[in-house]
Amino acid sequence: EAGVTQFPSHSVIEKGQTVTLRCDPISGHDNLYWYRRVMGKEIKFLLHFVKESKQDESGMPNNRFLAERTGGTYSTLKVQPAELEDSGVYFCASSQGGANEQFFGPGTRLTVL
Amino acid sequence: AQTVTQSQPEMSVQEAETVTLSCTYDTSESDYYLFWYKQPPSRQMILVIRQEAYKQQNATENRFSVNFQKAAKSFSLKISDSQLGDAAMYFCAYRSFFSGSARQLTFGSGTQLTVLP
Repeated sequence: EAGVTQFPSHSVIEKGQTVTLRCDPISGHDNLYWYRRVMGKEIKFLLHFVKESKQDESGMPNNRFLAERTGGTYSTLKVQPAELEDSGVYFCASSQGGANEQFFGPGTRLTVL
Repeated sequence: AQTVTQSQPEMSVQEAETVTLSCTYDTSESDYYLFWYKQPPSRQMILVIRQEAYKQQNATENRFSVNFQKAAKSFSLKISDSQLGDAAMYFCAYRSFFSGSARQLTFGSGTQLTVLP
């Protein structure tokens, strides 16, 4: 069974540009989470999807971040326009039920210059 | 809001020895889950061990065990007979227990464990 996959693994962009991160959860997992780790700090929650619906987006830092989950399958996280403080590692996780173990992807390292 | 604190940014251990990673947390909830996750270099984060707060018995998974002190809000991870493959970043995490509550994980800042041959 394939695990959670994320694309790209690394992205380097300039301030003001747009970047879109993609997450493919484990097949059949209705719950999808996005997290972010800024260098040296704790991993912080961004938002939670149940199927295609946003269950909780309390962790989204501002309106430059837009997350979607079309058809309840893969999810994208777009940052537009990117700022220097957006640099970090973006993790995606999925679970079969909301109370079950979350399986993590390898992360996307975003560098904003 | 819950917080998780890992006060050891870096730790090292000699191969075959035992090491303990510390984690403290703050919550007003009485029931919750605690986790230790491991992220090896350039690889995905995987669950090492999980503890339900309502269980008094400390969780154990092979060489990994926890010391859960609910009153002290402490949740340390002990790795016995350390192996080179244990080298990784270790994250302590908290999650609410009740359905309807937030399902997201609250993480600490991580402890980078080095295993010396």
